[in-house]
Amino acid sequence: QQPVQSPQAVILREGEDAVINCSSSKALYSVHWYRQKHGEAPVFLMILLKGGEQKGHDKISASFNEKKQQSSLYLTASQLSYSGTYFCGTAIQGAQKLVFGQGTRLTINP
Amino acid sequence: DSGVTQTPKHLITATGQRVTLRCSPRSGDLSVYWYQQSLDQGLQFLIQYYNGEERAKGNILERFSAQQFPDLHSELNLSSLELGDSALYFCASSINRGPNEKLFFGSGTQLSVL
Repeated sequence: QQPVQSPQAVILREGEDAVINCSSSKALYSVHWYRQKHGEAPVFLMILLKGGEQKGHDKISASFNEKKQQSSLYLTASQLSYSGTYFCGTAIQGAQKLVFGQGTRLTINP
Repeated sequence: DSGVTQTPKHLITATGQRVTLRCSPRSGDLSVYWYQQSLDQGLQFLIQYYNGEERAKGNILERFSAQQFPDLHSELNLSSLELGDSALYFCASSINRGPNEKLFFGSGTQLSVL
């Protein structure tokens, strides 16, 4: 039931783009994205609901393909502040719990 | 500051012991979630409460139990502790019971079992 994230780790230079994928074997009701910096609590980025939604703010956006049970997080023109571990959380239809993937560690170098 | 308060921040104890972790949700939030994060691991869902009632359960060990009190704070009890229970335990809260609202995470309790 745990979603699968890929890649596990990414190293970029400042200004480059990144895509983080999240997939589930179950029909999804919603997908959450959170970022966790080292030693800190996860912080909410966005929620996408079923229906093929796409959201974004600033240079971080995400899409949700309900048919494929996949979501992707897009980070464009990455900044040093984007470094951290990104988690997707998924809620399957009929269930209350939010289950997180293993995380993708993103490192942005100057 | 997310508004979610967890105490204590650090806890060091020995194998076989029992500890209690406490969480106060954001003002107005009715749901409390507990997650376990081991070193370099993801967030493992343990349990969720909504307005005092258990709503969803994850892979929570039988040695672990939780409850949410009338004032909405929650406690996670860990007993017969093992070395493998060492982890960062996060509490999160949200307004309602559904999984379609953003979670606000506390800063966590770092548990070290020696």
